[in-house]
Amino acid sequence: DVQLLESGGGLVQPGGSLRLSCIASGFTFSSSVMGWVRQAPGKGLEWVSIISADGRSPYYADSVKGRFTFSRDNSKDTLYLQMNSLRAEDTAVYYCAKEQPGSGWSFHYWGQGTLVTVSS
Amino acid sequence: EIMLTQSPGTLSLSPGERATLSCRASQSVSNNYLTWYQQKPGQAPRLLIYGASSRASGIPDRFSGSGSGTDFTLTISRLEPEDFAVYYCQHYDGARLTFGAGTRVEIK
Repeated sequence: DVQLLESGGGLVQPGGSLRLSCIASGFTFSSSVMGWVRQAPGKGLEWVSIISADGRSPYYADSVKGRFTFSRDNSKDTLYLQMNSLRAEDTAVYYCAKEQPGSGWSFHYWGQGTLVTVSS
Repeated sequence: EIMLTQSPGTLSLSPGERATLSCRASQSVSNNYLTWYQQKPGQAPRLLIYGASSRASGIPDRFSGSGSGTDFTLTISRLEPEDFAVYYCQHYDGARLTFGAGTRVEIK
C-alpha cells in the first residue's frame, strides 16, 4: 500500500524556520513526481510546490517562492520542505502528495498532514 | 495565471438527488488538465477525476466529470450519505497548480 508520512510540524515564531519531512513507501519513489499542498484552518487547498522525480526541477507557488525549498532524497524515499522566513499566513496543515502519472499534476495519494503554526 | 471559479459555494441536497458542480476557468485549460477532489472534515483530499473525465481508481461510477475549454462539471448521479463533503477543482498549466475555492455539498 502507498503510504506517505509527514513530520516536522509545530509551533514557530514569525521569521523562524522549520523543516518538514515526508517518508514514502509502497511505490517506486524515485520515479514519482511529488508535491506539497497546504490548507489553512477552515480554508481551502493551496498548492505549495512540486518536484520532478530526479529532484532537479522544483516549482513553487508565488506565495512561498524564495522562502521555501523543496528537495528529495531518493536513497531514503524522503521529501523535505525547508521553510524559512515564516509568516502568520503560512499557518496550515501541510500535506505531501504523490502525482498520478500522466494526469497533469493530479495528486492521487496524500499523507495525513502535519500542522505548522506560525505565531508569537 | 488561470483562476478557477467554483459554483455554487454551497449545494444543499438530499440523499438520492443529483449533484451538479461547476468549475469555470479564466482561460482555456490546456490538455483538459482539470482535476476534481473530495475532502471530508479532518481528512486529506481524495482524487476523484483527472483529465476532466477520467475516474481515479476505486471511485464509484456515480461520480463523473465532463467539460472542456473553460467550463467543467462534476456530477454525482445519486448522492450517497458519504458523498456530503467539500469538492475542489484543480488545474495545472505547466509551471503552476491552482485550486478552486471549493463547493460544499451539504445535507438538506
